[in-house]
Formats: sequence, structure tokens, C-alpha cells
Amino acid sequence: EPEVTQTPSHQVTQMGQEVILRCVPISNHLYFYWYRQILGQKVEFLVSFYNNEISEKSEIFDDQFSVERPDGSNFTLKIRSTKLEDSAMYFCASSAWTHREETQYFGPGTRLLVL
Amino acid sequence: GENVEQHPSTLSVQEGDSAVIKCTYSDSASNYFPWYKQELGKRPQLIIDIRSNVGEKKDQRIAVTLNKTAKHFSLHITETQPEDSAVYFCAASSDKVIFGPGTSLSVIP
Repeated sequence: EPEVTQTPSHQVTQMGQEVILRCVPISNHLYFYWYRQILGQKVEFLVSFYNNEISEKSEIFDDQFSVERPDGSNFTLKIRSTKLEDSAMYFCASSAWTHREETQYFGPGTRLLVL
Repeated sequence: GENVEQHPSTLSVQEGDSAVIKCTYSDSASNYFPWYKQELGKRPQLIIDIRSNVGEKKDQRIAVTLNKTAKHFSLHITETQPEDSAVYFCAASSDKVIFGPGTSLSVIP
């Protein structure tokens, strides 16, 4: 069964550094998402992406964040200048159609630790 | 803004008993309600979902009910087993998917 994959599984970085988290969505899916989960807390929506542009974003997704689909398979989340509070698990997800009524499939996550 | 509340935050049941988790949502435009199970250190896994045109859905030991008028939806797990122990998240989807804060379910053998 196809799965969403993410790399790296863990990332440690210094505060102020840029990080890029990578995701490969399920191949025939059209909608892509990033979520984050601070340890012990709920999953929080960051951004959704369709047709090479952002369709929705949350208050968390400020100017430090950006997303890109650089080729036909990868979907990336960039954090320009990391802060301590960016430490979290970041999940990518994809769905075949709009998230309004369609199952989203989550990747295994990237655990980001900002020191 | 949109909000999803979930109760209880923790739940312990004896193996074989039923577990019920309840959620409420604020955005009346929400029309898709998935439930996710997350084991420690793992990704959220969809276990069941319900759409707004349906009041109830069942899949083996798991059932979900939806009351759109009251903006309530609930997860019911019957004949619980130790492997059901996990954190369960409800979510409501309109323009974006909003997750509830989670319920930590422990099934005691």
C-alpha cells in the first residue's frame, strides 16, 4: 500500500539556522499538508497546498515558513530562521482530493530539535 | 477561530469494556470528521471517519456518531483490547482540519 514518506526522521539544528523538511506524498494525490505536534500536545494544522500554491494556512505559518513542490514528487517545508519553540514533530500528509471530505494520509514525521 | 474540544483527556477502561470519547466543534461549515489513533512516537492513523450527511457509521468494534445540530460527534470502541491503548484525536474539517486535544486511552488487561 502506498505511503507518505518523510526525511529526515530526526533533525537537530542550532537556533537561527534554516531547515528543510522533505516529504514525498502518495503519487496520485493532489493535496498536500504540513502539521506540527509539540511533544505531548495536539496536532496543529500549518498549511495546505494545491496546484502549486498555498490554499490555506494557519496563524502559526508566518513569514519564517515556506512550502514548495520543487519537482513532481517532493513537497518541502522550510523554516528560515529556527527558534527554540519550533522544536516539534512535523507531519506531512496528502489526500487525493480536497481535505473537506477526503481522507488524509500522514507520513511518519520529522522530529525537529532546535538548540 | 475554529475550535474542537474533546473529552475526556484521559480514559482508563478494563479490557472488554467500552470506551466513549466525545468531541464538539465550533465551525458550522465543518462537514468531515475523521478520528485518528496515535501510538507513542508514531504517526496519526485514520481509524474511522464520518461525513456530514451521515449520522452514524460502524466498522467492527468502532463506531462514530454525529449530531450536526448540536455540533457533537463521538467515538465508541466496544470490547476494548490492550492494543487499543493510544492517544485518540478527533478532527473537524471545513477550510482546514482542526484537531481536538486528544484522549489518552489505557486499556487495562
